[in-house]
Amino acid sequence: SQTIHQWPATLVQPVGSPLSLECTVEGTSNPNLYWYRQAAGRGLQLLFYSVGIGQISSEVPQNLSASRPQDRQFILSSKKLLLSDSGFYLCAWSLRRGLAGWSSYNEQFFGPGTRLTVL
Amino acid sequence: GEDVEQSLFLSVREGDSSVINCTYTDSSSTYLYWYKQEPGAGLQLLTYIFSNMDMKQDQRLTVLLNKKDKHLSLRIADTQTGDSAIYFCAERGSGNTGKLIFGQGTTLQVKP
Repeated sequence: SQTIHQWPATLVQPVGSPLSLECTVEGTSNPNLYWYRQAAGRGLQLLFYSVGIGQISSEVPQNLSASRPQDRQFILSSKKLLLSDSGFYLCAWSLRRGLAGWSSYNEQFFGPGTRLTVL
Repeated sequence: GEDVEQSLFLSVREGDSSVINCTYTDSSSTYLYWYKQEPGAGLQLLTYIFSNMDMKQDQRLTVLLNKKDKHLSLRIADTQTGDSAIYFCAERGSGNTGKLIFGQGTTLQVKP
């Protein structure tokens, strides 16, 4: 069975410090990967998605970047955190279209999330 | 562009029905989804509906889709305290990336 891991679970960082959040998926290959942010009192905003190693698409201009150094590893980074980067960060994966087990409704599976507080 | 809107809060009594509403703008959406988020956790898919359907029922859950008005609703029958959570409506974005566009989420409070 497939599982998705995120760490750390919680993080408190000062303004101006760097950030690295990691997401890994087990039990599948060539997944589509996604980073979302859920700010307090707001909905879920798609930040980045990736359809393959080294392939990153950014959805919104921001202080963050993403990388996919391995097939099942997705990293969210920042060189200098801002107060507005605080939020709940969720990683998700879905099956690539056409692969075994893919179905047309293409469910996204979410990780447990990382709570980031920037002070 | 793509946009999904939901009311932010709903409070019901245990045993009543809950109806959570959602509107979307992308008429080319093929699938629409309802996800549930329990406190401090990730999201889990509750149910989905294909855009050529009007209704889908799954045990206590009923999804209604009005494609003309771009309106989606989720009805939870016999609401229980364990149903207290944030419910997100989402539509599938265009292309083959599987991108989802989420609404702001509706917080459902179930009072005993």
